Amino acid sequence: QSALTQPPSASGSPGQSVTISCTGTSSDVGGYNYVSWYQQYPGKAPKLMICEVTKRPSGVPDRFSGSKSGNTASLTVSGLQAEDEADYYCSSYAGSNNWVFGGGTKLTVL
Amino acid sequence: QVQLVESGGGVVQPGRSLRLSCAASGFTFSTYGMHWVRQAPGKGLEWVAVIWSDGNNKFYSDSVKGRFTVSRDNSKNTLDLQMNSLGAEDTAIYYCARETGPYNGFDVWGQGTMVTVSS
Repeated sequence: QSALTQPPSASGSPGQSVTISCTGTSSDVGGYNYVSWYQQYPGKAPKLMICEVTKRPSGVPDRFSGSKSGNTASLTVSGLQAEDEADYYCSSYAGSNNWVFGGGTKLTVL
Repeated sequence: QVQLVESGGGVVQPGRSLRLSCAASGFTFSTYGMHWVRQAPGKGLEWVAVIWSDGNNKFYSDSVKGRFTVSRDNSKNTLDLQMNSLGAEDTAIYYCARETGPYNGFDVWGQGTMVTVSS
């Protein structure tokens, strides 16, 4: 149950696009289309932003999109806004009723 | 509205036990798998345990297997986590979370309850 690999930090200016990667293995990210992304503000609970690799729950802006290629999933935030500054975590089903999270990426809006 | 509220956190000595609870409201609790996820201070999220909707199947991360037990009471809409043999590494905010669907992400989270293991 090794954690998924995310870059510790990412940044972009308002209006720009930023992509955060999440690398796993064929036993988790590459093996299932059950990758999720969460946004977390300091002191708050995580919020689901993307599920099943590409699906946006109701209420999540369409500026947020997800994709996957092989063992790497990605979250893209387009048209960056100040309120997008937060920590982002990926998660994947890892088989045998286990789930694994990434280490998290701190997104800074410059 | 759909809501999860955790309780039971606190300061506990190493080797002791603690029981967390999560009260669900606003949705049909008995039809959802439920999870516990924790976050050590300043660290990332860590999946802890899942219990299927009917309560008959339970699974744990390697880090808590044999020490933690998840349970649920669908008649009371409650989820519990019994934590035994606690160590400093268990110090974290513990969140209960609802699974959107089998093997899928977690769409509803509680506010979390802090567990501190310290002598």
